[in-house]
Amino acid sequence: DVKVTQSSRYLVKRTGEKVFLECVQDMDHENMFWYRQDPGLGLRLIYFSYDVKMKEKGDIPEGYSVSREKKERFSLILESASTNQTSMYLCASRIDTGELFFGEGSRLTVL
Amino acid sequence: ELKVEQNPLFLSMQEGKNYTIYCNYSTTSDRLYWYRQDPGKSLESLFVLLSNGAVKQEGRLMASLDTKARLSTLHITAAVHDLSATYFCAVDGGGADGLTFGKGTHLIIQP
Repeated sequence: DVKVTQSSRYLVKRTGEKVFLECVQDMDHENMFWYRQDPGLGLRLIYFSYDVKMKEKGDIPEGYSVSREKKERFSLILESASTNQTSMYLCASRIDTGELFFGEGSRLTVL
Repeated sequence: ELKVEQNPLFLSMQEGKNYTIYCNYSTTSDRLYWYRQDPGKSLESLFVLLSNGAVKQEGRLMASLDTKARLSTLHITAAVHDLSATYFCAVDGGGADGLTFGKGTHLIIQP
């Protein structure tokens, strides 16, 4: 079974703090993704990566950056957290059929 | 730009009834996916539809894909309370940026 693990299920941070969200997959997949999910807005793509050290902006990259130093690990970074970044963050890994497998999600609250 | 529309966005129904959720998309694709999300949880893959006319069934749920009409349906037969969840369809636009998701259908099944 594909396993995608997100390091933190729940985080509470203060405005201006730097936040790291980590995601690890165990199936040697090349493609990994970060989405955020908000009520009424569905899932929106923040960044994706198709190989080590490769990254591409999604639909809403502003205020975020990513890092992919190893194939299995894809990190989302909020350089200076703001209250409008309070959200559920979902990491996913993609298999050959195009299907995405999601991690458990990280619920971030920025005060 | 690929757009994916689901309807209805909210559905309340009684146990034992049948209903259909519709997923329309705007550009050519022959890969469509259905996911389920329970409250506070991540997305779980339900069905993978990879060709025109594809039909998949699991228990009381059946999904189909008509690529000519750019339409997929998720049919619920004799609904039970355990099927209460939010259901998302997602379409592969063919790029490296993963899937484009509909806004989800929040389904409540009342005893």
